[in-house]
Amino acid sequence: DVKVTQSSRYLVKRTGEKVFLECVQDMDHENMFWYRQDPGLGLRLIYFSYDVKMKEKGDIPEGYSVSREKKERFSLILESASTNQTSMYLCASSSNLVTGSDTEAFFGQGTRLTVV
Amino acid sequence: AQSVSQHNHHVILSEAASLELGCNYSYGGTVNLFWYVQYPGQHLQLLLKYFSGDPLVKGIKGFEAEFIKSKFSFNLRKPSVQWSDTAEYFCAVKGNTPLVFGKGTRLSVIA
Repeated sequence: DVKVTQSSRYLVKRTGEKVFLECVQDMDHENMFWYRQDPGLGLRLIYFSYDVKMKEKGDIPEGYSVSREKKERFSLILESASTNQTSMYLCASSSNLVTGSDTEAFFGQGTRLTVV
Repeated sequence: AQSVSQHNHHVILSEAASLELGCNYSYGGTVNLFWYVQYPGQHLQLLLKYFSGDPLVKGIKGFEAEFIKSKFSFNLRKPSVQWSDTAEYFCAVKGNTPLVFGKGTRLSVIA
């Protein structure tokens, strides 16, 4: 069974802290993604990676960075957490076909981060 | 750039009513289209997907969607909703960039 696992369901951090959100997938997928989900805004892409040590900015990368040292793991880093980064963070993975039936994304359960 | 528009923010239906959720996208090239569902407290799950072939695709739990290329639309339908369909529904498009999502439609089904 396909699995994307995010290390925490809930996190509370203080303003200015450095925050690490971890995501692991067990499907040997090349592609991994970080989205944030906010009410009324849907899912917005923060960063993505098509390969180990590779990263690309999504639509809202400011205040975030990522790390992909191993194929199965994709970490999202908030360099200095701020209250406007309070959100639900979703990790996803997909295989590397440009077209075809494997391009659907599989999602983790999400990490609800509160910055106080 | 790709974008996705979902017309309804919140839809309230009685059980057994028919459902249609609108989704339009903007991208001129070949697209893959998806509907995801998020039940309360659960992760996003794929409802159905379109890649090519028959533009009418059937998904899980009795849902279906029709791809109309000329209208850039991929509307989700279900003939008779149940209370358990209460959830948030997201349309998503993949063209030459990663998945782009709409803002979601919250469906509330009342008895």
